[in-house]
Amino acid sequence: NAGVMQNPRHLVRRRGQEARLRCSPMKGHSHVYWYRQLPEEGLKFMVYLQKENIIDESGMPKERFSAEFPKEGPSILRIQQVVRGDSAAYFCASSPGLAVYNEQFFGPGTRLTVL
Amino acid sequence: KQEVTQIPAALSVPEGENLVLNCSFTDSAIYNLQWFRQDPGKGLTSLLLIQSSQREQTSGRLNASLDKSSGRSTLYIAASQPGDSATYLCAVEKAAGNKLTFGGGTRVLVKP
Repeated sequence: NAGVMQNPRHLVRRRGQEARLRCSPMKGHSHVYWYRQLPEEGLKFMVYLQKENIIDESGMPKERFSAEFPKEGPSILRIQQVVRGDSAAYFCASSPGLAVYNEQFFGPGTRLTVL
Repeated sequence: KQEVTQIPAALSVPEGENLVLNCSFTDSAIYNLQWFRQDPGKGLTSLLLIQSSQREQTSGRLNASLDKSSGRSTLYIAASQPGDSATYLCAVEKAAGNKLTFGGGTRVLVKP
């Protein structure tokens, strides 16, 4: 049973380009969460999605950031017109849903560097 | 707004000593609390999850306690080993299926 998969593991973009980060949840998990870890800072929640629905995007910047979790395929976190301040590690987590034991399992992260 | 604090921020102990890591949270209305381990440049590995109705969870050399009313959790690691060197994070979930709010972590170094 493969864990949470994220790709790419490392991504380098120049200022103004777009970044697309992908997350495939664990088998049987229908809930996906994205978190960001800025250099020397803690992990901060960005967005929570279920299939085809955004449940909570309270931690996501209002501009340039968007997320989706389509019926088929991975969840995508998209950052348009990247700036240096977007350089961070982006982690995806998945959980089985509103079960009694709703543990979140994390992927290895995508490390984004903006030049 | 929930705030999670971990003290100390860094800890260095000789091999064999027991580790005690503290986590406090401001809002006691939590659904569960998770402890994670993060190695440099890597992702998070879930260590233990304690539901709000539980007082503690154990896995091997790890034991985590939860005192919801006082807003505290403690992670004990018995007989520490150099391989235990990592950053340990605690996180609380306010409601089922909700986001995790993380503490800043405790960076642990176990010296051989």
